[in-house]
Amino acid sequence: DGGITQSPKYLFRKEGQNVTLSCEQNLNHDAMYWYRQDPGQGLRLIYYSQIVNDFQKGDIAEGYSVSREKKESFPLTVTSAQKNPTAFYLCASRVQGATYSGYTFGSGTRLTVV
Amino acid sequence: AQSVTQLDSQVPVFEEAPVELRCNYSSSVSVYLFWYVQYPNQGLQLLLKYLSGSTLVKSINGFEAEFNKSQTSFHLRKPSVHISDTAEYFCAVSESGGFKTIFGAGTRLFVKA
Repeated sequence: DGGITQSPKYLFRKEGQNVTLSCEQNLNHDAMYWYRQDPGQGLRLIYYSQIVNDFQKGDIAEGYSVSREKKESFPLTVTSAQKNPTAFYLCASRVQGATYSGYTFGSGTRLTVV
Repeated sequence: AQSVTQLDSQVPVFEEAPVELRCNYSSSVSVYLFWYVQYPNQGLQLLLKYLSGSTLVKSINGFEAEFNKSQTSFHLRKPSVHISDTAEYFCAVSESGGFKTIFGAGTRLFVKA
């Protein structure tokens, strides 16, 4: 079955450490997105990519970086510059240009700073 | 600029009672409207969407939402809820021809026995 796989499900980060969250999809979608979810704040867009080798900053990109070397993969790195990284991170995809179709979401990665 | 307001952060309701989760949006152009459901520690799943045509849209599990252009609302309703409907529900809006979707802050529905 087609879908989005996020790994790991739980991740612990030490102060000053960079960590990378994986997102892989087999839906043949061009557009991929990273959202951050905090209680009571809904979903906030971190980065998005509409095509391979191209990506744009979302509303809260500071302290994060991404790459899009393959259509199927859109990893997110949480850098040490992100001062409050504890959150639930969601990856999503959809057909490029098809805002009417809605997103397909992964099951999320919960990141905790220890 | 687009925005989405979910008017209730939490809605407790007894099993088999009706429920309405309220959503208002603002946009200067034509929009697509969505409701997503999120169960604990999972991603969001698309519940239903309004694109055009009939203003009443329905999901396969008994939820329905009505698009009201004059009131810029897209409230979600279910005539009789089950314990299994306990989840967080997100309203979202996309501008037709755009590339971003704006999400509301979410409404936590808690169904009590």
